[in-house]
Amino acid sequence: KAGVTQTPRYLIKTRGQQVTLSCSPISGHRSVSWYQQTPGQGLQFLFEYFSETQRNKGNFPGRFSGRQFSNSRSEMNVSTLELGDSALYLCASSLGDYSPGEQYFGPGTRLTVT
Amino acid sequence: AQKVTQAQTEISVVEKEDVTLDCVYETRDTTYYLFWYKQPPSGELVFLIRRNSFDEQNEISGRYSWNFQKSTSSFNFTITASQVVDSAVYFCALSEAETGGFKTIFGAGTRLFVKA
Repeated sequence: KAGVTQTPRYLIKTRGQQVTLSCSPISGHRSVSWYQQTPGQGLQFLFEYFSETQRNKGNFPGRFSGRQFSNSRSEMNVSTLELGDSALYLCASSLGDYSPGEQYFGPGTRLTVT
Repeated sequence: AQKVTQAQTEISVVEKEDVTLDCVYETRDTTYYLFWYKQPPSGELVFLIRRNSFDEQNEISGRYSWNFQKSTSSFNFTITASQVVDSAVYFCALSEAETGGFKTIFGAGTRLFVKA
């Protein structure tokens, strides 16, 4: 089975711009979660999507949004980028049915905001 | 509120030593799930184990073992006879049901250095 893929792997943006990151989960997985990883804050939960619906979200401003398509692929968008948004953004997929199963993580997208 | 504490920021051991990584969690729920993940230098997090709150049985998988104690809200991870390839950052995580889905909180991670 192919693993979780994320594109792009690296991105450099300027403050004020917006960015869209993409995640393709493992085939058959219906849940996709997004995390932000920084040296200072560690791994922080952004949101989780299941069957095209956002099931849960973390404590991030509304500039961070996401969506999931019918094929379970997911995108997250960050608008009006700030320097503090520089981070590794990780996507994780799981079966996502009635209990939180193990999550399979992608390699991440490293976003640098200048 | 849920919280996961990994008090050990970094641990350095010599190959073949045993090492225990501590994890303490806080939750108000009676149903929750605990996980350990490994993040090697390559970067991708790898799932190691999942435990639900009703299963306090300890588990051993090769050189890895986990000790879950609800009485002390701890879920510690021991590597026996450590190897250089065990060098990584290890994360403990807690998942609870919330508004129809699940929210997973990770600890800050413990960086393990295993020297040859």
